[in-house]
Amino acid sequence: KAGVTQTPRYLIKTRGQQVTLSCSPISGHRSVSWYQQTPGQGLQFLFEYFSETQRNKGNFPGRFSGRQFSNSRSEMNVSTLELGDSALYLCASSFPGGDEQYFGPGTRLTVT
Amino acid sequence: SQKIEQNSEALNIQEGKTATLTCNYTNYSPAYLQWYRQDPGRGPVFLLLIRENEKEKRKERLKVTFDTTLKQSLFHITASQPADSATYLCALEVGGNQFYFGTGTSLTVIP
Repeated sequence: KAGVTQTPRYLIKTRGQQVTLSCSPISGHRSVSWYQQTPGQGLQFLFEYFSETQRNKGNFPGRFSGRQFSNSRSEMNVSTLELGDSALYLCASSFPGGDEQYFGPGTRLTVT
Repeated sequence: SQKIEQNSEALNIQEGKTATLTCNYTNYSPAYLQWYRQDPGRGPVFLLLIRENEKEKRKERLKVTFDTTLKQSLFHITASQPADSATYLCALEVGGNQFYFGTGTSLTVIP
């Protein structure tokens, strides 16, 4: 069974631009969560989607948004990029009612 | 706000010894707690889950304890091996499939 995939794996953007990251969950998983990981703050929860609905949202500004499609694939968007947005963005999927999260390899975003 | 602390950022132990990692939290009563392993350049990998009504959980060389009174979980790796070297993260379920993660402990097992 294929794991969680994220594209692209690496991205370099300039301050002020916007970016869209993609996550394809494991087949059958309907919950997708997004996290930001930085050396100083660790893994921080961004939001979680289930059946195309955002169920939970972390403490991030409105520049961070996401969506989920009917096939459970998810995208997150960051607008007006700031230097501090440089991080590893991870998505994780889980079965309905499942407790384990399966993480993708992440997208390394660098903002210059 | 939720605060999750993991003992020392880095832990070095000799091969064959038992590594003990600590996860302390405040301001919440999670229904369960998870431990993950993360290798450089990779996403975290799920290891173990322990629920609030469980005191201890084991899986091969791994053991997790959960003390809801102390608000603490201990993660043990017995007979440690160099291949166990990685960063270990604890995660609290804070409701509705939302998780708060600790900052992690980097474990190095010295041959």
